[in-house]
Amino acid sequence: KQEVTQIPAALSVPEGENLVLNCSFTDSAIYNLQWFRQDPGKGLTSLLLIQSSQREQTSGRLNASLDKSSGRSTLYIAASQPGDSATYLCAVDTGANSKLTFGKGITLSVRP
Amino acid sequence: DAGVIQSPRHEVTEMGQEVTLRCKPISGHNSLFWYRQTMMRGLELLIYFNNNVPIDDSGMPEDRFSAKMPNASFSTLKIQPSEPRDSAVYFCASSPRGGPYPARGYTFGSGTRLTVV
Repeated sequence: KQEVTQIPAALSVPEGENLVLNCSFTDSAIYNLQWFRQDPGKGLTSLLLIQSSQREQTSGRLNASLDKSSGRSTLYIAASQPGDSATYLCAVDTGANSKLTFGKGITLSVRP
Repeated sequence: DAGVIQSPRHEVTEMGQEVTLRCKPISGHNSLFWYRQTMMRGLELLIYFNNNVPIDDSGMPEDRFSAKMPNASFSTLKIQPSEPRDSAVYFCASSPRGGPYPARGYTFGSGTRLTVV
């Protein structure tokens, strides 16, 4: 059974800092991995999708990497801003039945 | 593209009442998923459909929960009778997986916040 872990559960950083959010998964046989952002009381917004054959994806100040063999993904946020404050969730699609398995998320607070 | 549309946005109901949540997936997406989010358990998959057919309902908590997808553009999640422990945010998501489009990942609706008192 696939398990997705995100540690720590919460993170607070000063504005301008570059930061890395970690995600680990137990079964490396994945179809893709997706990073989502969730603002308080809102739905999930897809940030980046990495196919199993890819190593990384970039969108603006965000860069996500994938190392299937070690069961890890990282989300790199450059020059963090207060507007980046949100919960970031990692989700793995094992492809077996198109189901996503989610981590519990990392709640990021960027201090002005 | 209006995205995945869920209704209602908020629902407050009394214990024992029937609750129906609605979802309209993105046109052309052939997979639809219902998730529940709580502080304690995070996001849990309840059921998902592929081409309108329920594929896996192992996440449905108990017989009080049922879901239907009568056509490609509409799905419902029903709770009857509702209980206070059903209070959560219910999300619907759709995906083009398995269809004629390249895999582009999931798109989530804004969710329905259900409170059972």
